Amino acid sequence: ETGVTQTPRHLVMGMTNKKSLKCEQHLGHNAMYWYKQSAKKPLELMFVYNFKEQTENNSVPSRFSPECPNSSHLFLHLHTLQPEDSALYLCASSPDRGSGEQYFGPGTRLTVT
Amino acid sequence: QKEVEQNSGPLSVPEGAIASLNCTYSDRVSQSFFWYRQYSGKSPELIMSIYSNGDKEDGRFTAQLNKASQYVSLLIRDSQPSDSATYLCAVFSGGYQKVTFGIGTKLQVIP
Repeated sequence: ETGVTQTPRHLVMGMTNKKSLKCEQHLGHNAMYWYKQSAKKPLELMFVYNFKEQTENNSVPSRFSPECPNSSHLFLHLHTLQPEDSALYLCASSPDRGSGEQYFGPGTRLTVT
Repeated sequence: QKEVEQNSGPLSVPEGAIASLNCTYSDRVSQSFFWYRQYSGKSPELIMSIYSNGDKEDGRFTAQLNKASQYVSLLIRDSQPSDSATYLCAVFSGGYQKVTFGIGTKLQVIP
């Protein structure tokens, strides 16, 4: 186990649904990240939080809404998604924003129907 | 656009051989370099970090960095079938405070 947990592990949702992904890290890190991983593409950074403050929004559509209530928890709220949003969503943490060493959770496999 | 380039493979090597995985990057001010291993259906796992030119060894794994040529490599000695996975190269730029990942190289170790 990496110390980063994610729920749910699998999610199937319709285009009109609203759902949330949850991430929790038990490593005492201060930075947390959301990534999207699609087949045959590099990992795409979506959002970065450092000490609970959002420091980066990588041109992500507004149908994805992050929330970081504290340094240990991170959410990704989903609404009116498109089929092309189907992917593996990975949460990661690092000691701080200035560290390149990232520790990933197991991911949520999302399918939008 | 700062890029990290890898051959997606698959790279097939026989068991016991040396697997050589390569990565090039475009941002000259990149500071830190990482290799992640991702088994099929799993998330990436950090296996090596390298920060200065030269070699860094950890067990059967050796990371090599050449900043002048802007490439990073990972050597796996005595390859085992359990090493079969996709290996992601990642580069951290202090200026952008961001890690950029390559597409990954799929390694297949044939028994």
